[in-house]
Amino acid sequence: AQSVAQPEDQVNVAEGNPLTVKCTYSVSGNPYLFWYVQYPNRGLQFLLKYITGDNLVKGSYGFEAEFNKSQTSFHLKKPSALVSDSALYFCAVRDEGTGGFKTIFGAGTRLFVKA
Amino acid sequence: ETGVTQTPRHLVMGMTNKKSLKCEQHLGHNAMYWYKQSAKKPLELMFVYNFKEQTENNSVPSRFSPECPNSSHLFLHLHTLQPEDSALYLCASSQDASGSDTQYFGPGTRLTVL
Repeated sequence: AQSVAQPEDQVNVAEGNPLTVKCTYSVSGNPYLFWYVQYPNRGLQFLLKYITGDNLVKGSYGFEAEFNKSQTSFHLKKPSALVSDSALYFCAVRDEGTGGFKTIFGAGTRLFVKA
Repeated sequence: ETGVTQTPRHLVMGMTNKKSLKCEQHLGHNAMYWYKQSAKKPLELMFVYNFKEQTENNSVPSRFSPECPNSSHLFLHLHTLQPEDSALYLCASSQDASGSDTQYFGPGTRLTVL
């Protein structure tokens, strides 16, 4: 069965330092992987996705993610964190089941960036 | 914002009330979704509509009743809810329901059931 794990409930980073938010997945076929961000009192916003091709995917607001098939991981990264990056981050995988494609979201990781 | 609007933004209702949540997308998409977001739980997919046809009902109790009159509008009709149904209800849309499809979310309706 498909699943997504975000092993950290919370990540704390100082402004200007690099950040990593971890995600691992389990799917039966080829994965379609996504990262979304949620700011307070807002819906989820799309950051980036991996469909096929280059393992390093670049997205919005300077974020990037690296697809690692052998480790079944899709960690979100940013070279230099900003206080405004503080939010809730969701990893998601789309996998094809009997009824079509389904999106499974991870539980979310709260990122705190301290000035 | 994302082009997906939801009304109302906040709703407080008693267990015997009947209310409806509305979602509208201005993106020309053909697939629409309802999700439930509860504290400390992953997002739960409730319903999927693709070209106005319901393609997914994720074992949702019958006190939640979706309606999709056209590709731009999605409703969630609520009746005799329970306090544990209190949550943020998110609507999303996508071009279709294919694997690589990106979903665009509305701001959500914060529902409190007393």
